[in-house]
Order: sequence, then structure tokens, then C-alpha cells
Amino acid sequence: RKEVEQDPGPFNVPEGATVAFNCTYSNSASQSFFWYRQDCRKEPKLLMSVYSSGNEDGRFTAQLNRASQYISLLIRDSKLSDSATYLCVVKGNTPLVFGKGTRLSVIA
Amino acid sequence: GAGVSQTPSNKVTEKGKYVELRCDPISGHTALYWYRQSLGQGPEFLIYFQGTGAADDSGLPNDRFFAVRPEGSVSTLKIQRTERGDSAVYLCASSPTSEGEQFFGPGTRLTVL
Repeated sequence: RKEVEQDPGPFNVPEGATVAFNCTYSNSASQSFFWYRQDCRKEPKLLMSVYSSGNEDGRFTAQLNRASQYISLLIRDSKLSDSATYLCVVKGNTPLVFGKGTRLSVIA
Repeated sequence: GAGVSQTPSNKVTEKGKYVELRCDPISGHTALYWYRQSLGQGPEFLIYFQGTGAADDSGLPNDRFFAVRPEGSVSTLKIQRTERGDSAVYLCASSPTSEGEQFFGPGTRLTVL
């Protein structure tokens, strides 16, 4: 079993739609959780950290359920510029462990 | 300010050759990481430096891969006897501390023919 598993995608949604990505992780000792965004042929960039209490940044909401080892990302009112690959990332002692990513295409 | 830079941006080599990939971290960042990203996959951890020493090299796939950071700043990833399976984008990241946010460079796209 992969350490971090994500919805395979791709997700093709119209502008203005709400889309949710899910992720599960296998290492119960994981300490920190993140969503990264990666545009085509570019480097990954931190989108947001994920906390047990849930956190929101504008149109983006991230949730963590430690008991279920499950992480989610909700994007409301999708924009064309949200088109990218979203990587679920888990941190243990030091290195980041990335999921394969879920590709989102927002269509006009 | 300047971000993480990596050179070259693209490298094409032949099977069996030796290559060096360079990473210039953000000034003052003590932690430096190397990752490898194959097509359709997320980045995979290779090695982590804290200062000059390799704190964790558990991700290096075999002894053909080696990395150094002699002065605690620039790092070089070295691959001996390259194989076609080494073709990937090699990403470098740095952070102010081992717990801080990691900032990625643009990567070096390595193609082994």
C-alpha cells in the first residue's frame, strides 16, 4: 500500500463549481499535513497546511481526520486559474511524502 | 528575493555516463532536500542535508547516487553509470530549518538515452 493515496482524477469541472479532493495516509505517526499545488512542468508550491481543527484560506478549505488518517481539500467557486495538480503531502520525522497528485481542469 | 535555483534546467545524457546536478538554496536556509519526480508521480524523497552533513539519505535508490553539500550552501547530486530508469525531474528544496516550509527549485529534467 502506498504511503499517501489520492483520488486518481482527472477532475474536469466548470467554472464556479465546488470540487473536493480526498487523501489517505498509512503512517499513523505522521506529524504534519499539507496540500501542494503543481502547475504543468513547474515545481510544487505550498497551498496550505492542514490542521485537525480544519482551516480555511479564501475559497480553499482543508480538513484532517487523524482517527481515519484522511485529509481533504475543498475548492469553492472554481476559477480557470485553479487548474493544476494538487498533491497531498504528509511529513514524518523529516522528509515530505507526496501522493501522486490529482489533476484538476476548470473549464470555461 | 532569489528563490532556489537549479542547473542545468535540462540534461540529456547517454546510458552509462556520469552527471552532476546543482542546487543553490535560498540564502541562509540550513536544510536542503533532493527529490525525484517521474512522470505521473509525486516527488519522491532522495536525501536531506542539515548544514554540511547528510541527515537522512534513506531515499537514495542505490550506490550510483551520491550528494554533497561541502560548505553548507550549494549542493550537488551526482549520478554514476546512468540508466534509462534514472530519467526524471530532480527537484531541490530548501527550508530555514528542518521544520520549516520547503521551497522548491524549478528542477532539472534529466533524460538518459
